[in-house]
This record gives sequence, C-alpha cells and structure tokens, in this order.
Amino acid sequence: KQEVTQIPAALSVPEGENLVLNCSFTDSAIYNLQWFRQDPGKGLTSLLLIQSSQREQTSGRLNASLDKSSGRSTLYIAASQPGDSATYLCAVSHRSNDYKLSFGAGTTVTVRA
Amino acid sequence: GAGVSQSPSNKVTEKGKDVELRCDPISGHTALYWYRQRLGQGLEFLIYFQGNSAPDKSGLPSDRFSAERTGESVSTLTIQRTQQEDSAVYLCASSPGTSGREGPSYEQYFGPGTRLTVT
Repeated sequence: KQEVTQIPAALSVPEGENLVLNCSFTDSAIYNLQWFRQDPGKGLTSLLLIQSSQREQTSGRLNASLDKSSGRSTLYIAASQPGDSATYLCAVSHRSNDYKLSFGAGTTVTVRA
Repeated sequence: GAGVSQSPSNKVTEKGKDVELRCDPISGHTALYWYRQRLGQGLEFLIYFQGNSAPDKSGLPSDRFSAERTGESVSTLTIQRTQQEDSAVYLCASSPGTSGREGPSYEQYFGPGTRLTVT
C-alpha cells in the first residue's frame, strides 16, 4: 500500500521568505504526482502535476521537483506572500491505477505579514 | 465555467440515520471520484466512476457506504446507519477522463466538500 508522508506538518515564515515543502512516498511505481492547495472551507486546487517521466514542473513562483527513484518530491514557493497561507497536499497515483490518488496529510503554511 | 459543486455543505445527523451527499461534476467530465478526509488525516479514496464502465468501489470502507452516478452527471454518496467514525469531510472531484498507461495525466478538479458530523 502506498504511504505518502509530508514534512513538516506546519510551517510559519515571514513574508518574502522562500518555502520548501517535502513529500515522500513508499512505492516508486507512480504514474504522476500532484501538489494541491487547500483553503479552509474550500475544495482542493491543483497547483502542479508532474508526470513520472518528468523531473520538475514550474508555474510562476512555484516549482516542484520529482525524484521517483528515491520516492521524493519538493515544492518550492519563492518570495512567499500572506496569500500563500494554506494547507498544501501532495498526492501520487499508481502506475496501474492512475485515477486513484494517495494523499499525504498536508503541510499547513502560515506566511506572516 | 462552473466548477464541481456539492450539497449540502454541512450535515449534522444522529447516529444510526442514513444520509445522502450529492455531487455535480463539471459538465463534460467523464470521470468522477469521491474521497473522505478525516480530521488531521490525508484524503482517502472511496470510489471512482468512468463513463459507463463498472465503478471502482475498492475504497468504500464498509457495506454501509454506496454511491450511484447517473450517466456522466450527478452522483450521490449514501451512508446508511451512520456511525460517529463516519464524521469527516466528503470531497468529490471530476476530470475530463483518465489516461491509462500511455496518455497524459488529467487533473482532478475538486468540489468544496460536505462536512458530515454524526452525533
């Protein structure tokens, strides 16, 4: 069974600092990895999707890397802003069941103004 | 366009009662998913529908849980004889399809969830 772990569970940084969020997974036979953002009372918003054949994806201030062999992904958020405060979730889909996502418990980020 | 919608947004029910949760996917999305998020835990996959194919029910935690989908539209998740451990946020997602082994990956678009509290 795929286990997804996110460290740290919570993070508080001053505005402008770069954020580094970590995700690890036990089974490297993945189809893709997704990073989501979850705001209180709202659903998940997809941030980045990395195919298993890719090593990174970038969108604006966000960059996510994937090292499938070691079972790790890192989400970098540059020059953090108070609006980046949210819970960030990592999810992987298995190679044979690409629709079934296994989620980590998330990292709750607070960016202080 | 309209995103995934779910109703009700909050539901409080007494232990032993049945509840129905509704999901309206994005129009044209053939795939629909239900997940459960317990407090402080990651999302758990419950069930998956793809077009007219048989659903993947492998994540349903017990036979008290069932789900239906009418064609490629609305889905309902039913929990019979609710228990306190069923208290959670139930999230629905949809996607344009699923890829298989060779195709691109499709993002899943999530609704706001239904917060279920069993007293």
